[in-house]
Amino acid sequence: AQSVAQPEDQVNVAEGNPLTVKCTYSVSGNPYLFWYVQYPNRGLQFLLKYITGDNLVKGSYGFEAEFNKSQTSFHLKKPSALVSDSALYFCAVRESYGGSQGNLIFGKGTKLSVKP
Amino acid sequence: GAGVSQSPSNKVTEKGKDVELRCDPISGHTALYWYRQSLGQGLEFLIYFQGNSAPDKSGLPSDRFSAERTGGSVSTLTIQRTQQEDSAVYLCASSSSRRVLGSSTDTQYFGPGTRLTVL
Repeated sequence: AQSVAQPEDQVNVAEGNPLTVKCTYSVSGNPYLFWYVQYPNRGLQFLLKYITGDNLVKGSYGFEAEFNKSQTSFHLKKPSALVSDSALYFCAVRESYGGSQGNLIFGKGTKLSVKP
Repeated sequence: GAGVSQSPSNKVTEKGKDVELRCDPISGHTALYWYRQSLGQGLEFLIYFQGNSAPDKSGLPSDRFSAERTGGSVSTLTIQRTQQEDSAVYLCASSSSRRVLGSSTDTQYFGPGTRLTVL
């Protein structure tokens, strides 16, 4: 069965410092991995995805994520946090092989708080 | 271009009443997904449409839930005889569903959601 774990309910960072939001996954085949961000009372906004190729994926708003197959991780990173990055972040996985409906399996979410 | 839209944005209903939630996907997107976001359950998948067909309805939480999609575009999620545990944000997503090795690689784009409150 597919699953995603976001081990931290909340991450606190000072503005200007680097941030990391952790994600580990479990799938039976090759994973497709996604990060989404949710601002209060809004839907999910796509940040970036890993399908294949380069393990370092760059996305929107200066975010990037590194796919690590041996550690089954896909941590989200940003070199310098902004107060406006404060939001709820979701990691998601989808199986790559046929038979899947293509629906995403989400982690529980990590609340990122960036203080001035 | 326009993103995924959902209506209503908020719905308050009394227990036992039926509700209909609507989703307008991005034009040209053949795949459409419904998810539910609640405090206790996080984000859970409900149902998937490819065109007008929903191959698997097992994600729907009970037989009070049904969904349809017409013309390969608009979808409605209907909840009959609502219960308080149905209170949640219902999110719709669409993708263009290019398939590689049988599974879609495409990004799902989400609408703003419908917040359902059952009193």
